[in-house]
Order: sequence, then C-alpha cells, then structure tokens
Amino acid sequence: NAGVTQTPKFQVLKTGQSMTLQCAQDMNHEYMSWYRQDPGMGLRLIHYSVGAGITDQGEVPNGYNVSRSTTEDFPLRLLSAAPSQTSVYFCASSPSVGQGPETNYGYTFGSGTRLTVV
Amino acid sequence: AQSVTQLDSHVSVSEGTPVLLRCNYSSSYSPSLFWYVQHPNKGLQLLLKYTSAATLVKGINGFEAEFKKSETSFHLTKPSAHMSDAAEYFCVVSDRHTNAGKSTFGDGTTLTVKP
Repeated sequence: NAGVTQTPKFQVLKTGQSMTLQCAQDMNHEYMSWYRQDPGMGLRLIHYSVGAGITDQGEVPNGYNVSRSTTEDFPLRLLSAAPSQTSVYFCASSPSVGQGPETNYGYTFGSGTRLTVV
Repeated sequence: AQSVTQLDSHVSVSEGTPVLLRCNYSSSYSPSLFWYVQHPNKGLQLLLKYTSAATLVKGINGFEAEFKKSETSFHLTKPSAHMSDAAEYFCVVSDRHTNAGKSTFGDGTTLTVKP
C-alpha cells in the first residue's frame, strides 16, 4: 500500500550511541518532515525538506541531522543520543505545502518510531 | 507568527451525543487549518482541512469544522459520537508567510466516549 514507512518501530539506545531512523514514501511527495511527540506537547518539528537536496531546521533541530538525497527517502540521524531524546518520532510527507489554503494538502504520517534512550 | 490553542485537553461524551472540540488560532495571513486524529499507538490521520473554498468543512467519519475568521476559531464537531471516535485530536495551523513547510500543532485533545 502506498504511504509513509518508518523503521524501526521500536528502539532502545544507550546514552551516547548514534542511530538513524528511516523514512520512505512512495507517493512522489516533494515535502517531507520529522516530528517528535512528547506527552502534553503536541508534535514539534525537527527538520523538514521541500525537495531532494534541500533541508531546513524546524523548531527543535539540536542533536539531529537529516539529508535528502532522493525524493523517496528522508532519514533522521541522532548523533549522540541523550535521555531527552526519548520520544515518539513521526515522519510525514505532502505533495507540496503550497502557498495558501487552496494548495496546502496536509500530511500523510508514518506509524512512528518509539525511541527510548537509557 | 502563528500559533494554535486547543481549549480543552480532555473531553468526555456519551455515545450518541454531540462532540465539540475547540480550537483557536493565530495567524498573520491567510491560514491553512487542519484537524488530525490519532488512535492509540498509531500515526496521525488527516480528518479534514480548510481550503478557503467554504467555511464549513466536511471530513471523514462524520466530522465537520467551521472556519470563523472573526473569532479566529476552527472548532471540530460531530452530531453523534461513536465508541470508535475515542482518540486524540490535533488542530494544526500553517501560515504561508511563515514558510509553507512549518505547521504548528496544538497540544491535542483527548476524546473519551462513554457507553
């Protein structure tokens, strides 16, 4: 089925370890983003990309890196894991985000990666 | 700058009664507004979106939302709650002049449906 695929679904890391969360979409969407979800705080944007080779920071980028070498893939790298990065991570994509309500399509979300840093 | 406030962190209704989840927004320009639903241990699913074509927006599963510019509100309603509606709901605003890629999520409203 077409959609956004995130792997792994669960991960436990030790403080200081690094890892990459994978995100792939098969809908040819231009826009992809990473959010983290923490209790009572909604979703916060980490990084986003408006096309292959173009990335930018969101609200909470520190400790994370991204790259977008293809339209389909948008991996999120944790450089040196910290307990504060314990969270649920969601990848989302959109055909585009447009320039106004008429062309802002909303997001398709992956099912999430639950990360625990001990 | 843009922001969104979901006025209730928890709403509890009985099955078959109306649902009202309240959302106020702040946006300097013409906003895009969305409601998403998240069932336990699942990703978010788009319920409906405001596209400026009509102020009353119909979504999936019988949900509706009305855009009221004068009140800066985008409340979500459903005439009759079903047990399967129990979930967390997020109101989202996106302002084209705040960089189209940056949407702001509300903190969420947890809807409980009692039998």
